[in-house]
Amino acid sequence: DIQLTQSPSFLSASVGDRVTITCRASQVISNYLAWYQQKPGKAPKLLIYAASTLPRGVPSRFSGSGSGTEFTLTISSLQPEDFATYYCQQLNSYPSITFGQGTRLEIK
Amino acid sequence: QVLLQESGPGLVNPSQTLSLSCTVSGDSISSGGYYWTWLRQQPGKGLEWMGYGFYSGASYYNPSLQSRLSISVDGSKNQFSLRLISVTAADTAVYYCAKSLPGGVHAFDIWGQGKMVSVSS
Repeated sequence: DIQLTQSPSFLSASVGDRVTITCRASQVISNYLAWYQQKPGKAPKLLIYAASTLPRGVPSRFSGSGSGTEFTLTISSLQPEDFATYYCQQLNSYPSITFGQGTRLEIK
Repeated sequence: QVLLQESGPGLVNPSQTLSLSCTVSGDSISSGGYYWTWLRQQPGKGLEWMGYGFYSGASYYNPSLQSRLSISVDGSKNQFSLRLISVTAADTAVYYCAKSLPGGVHAFDIWGQGKMVSVSS
């Protein structure tokens, strides 16, 4: 299986801060990566797919970059509603779709 | 607007079978081009992809669950279903159904609200 390692696992930041979360893959996955946001008790929400494409309705303060084995999710200016847990996911189904372990973003 | 809703028992006895359904509204499951997917999240843990099915009848599973899992798609009911046999306490989790983006992209843009299932006697 392709392993995804997110860093950091925990992040404390303030409203208005710029934050970056990294996801590293154990092998090359081209741009086959997505990012999700999950709030407590809720289903995950797709933020980015194909490493850098935002689905309709996702605010432009979210951006994604990377290719190969290293990827980043950046929030340009944190809003109160952005405090959540973020997961990366690799989109290659063979042999298994996998997720990173998550990054918990909390208010400082 | 496409909506997904999980349904099924919230408590299953160890060694028995866990069965859940996901009802799709706002789209036809027979329209094709989507991966109808099940995922789960154990308490306090991350996300695990379980597998997906197609309207054609084909399915694809996480190798770690393949021997116990089946996913089926029913166009007449506009539902897809999960069946997990021989469950243990380790299968206690929130189970989510989800729909992929079109065109073979394995990212999931529509999710159900989740169904908590506990395995306990």
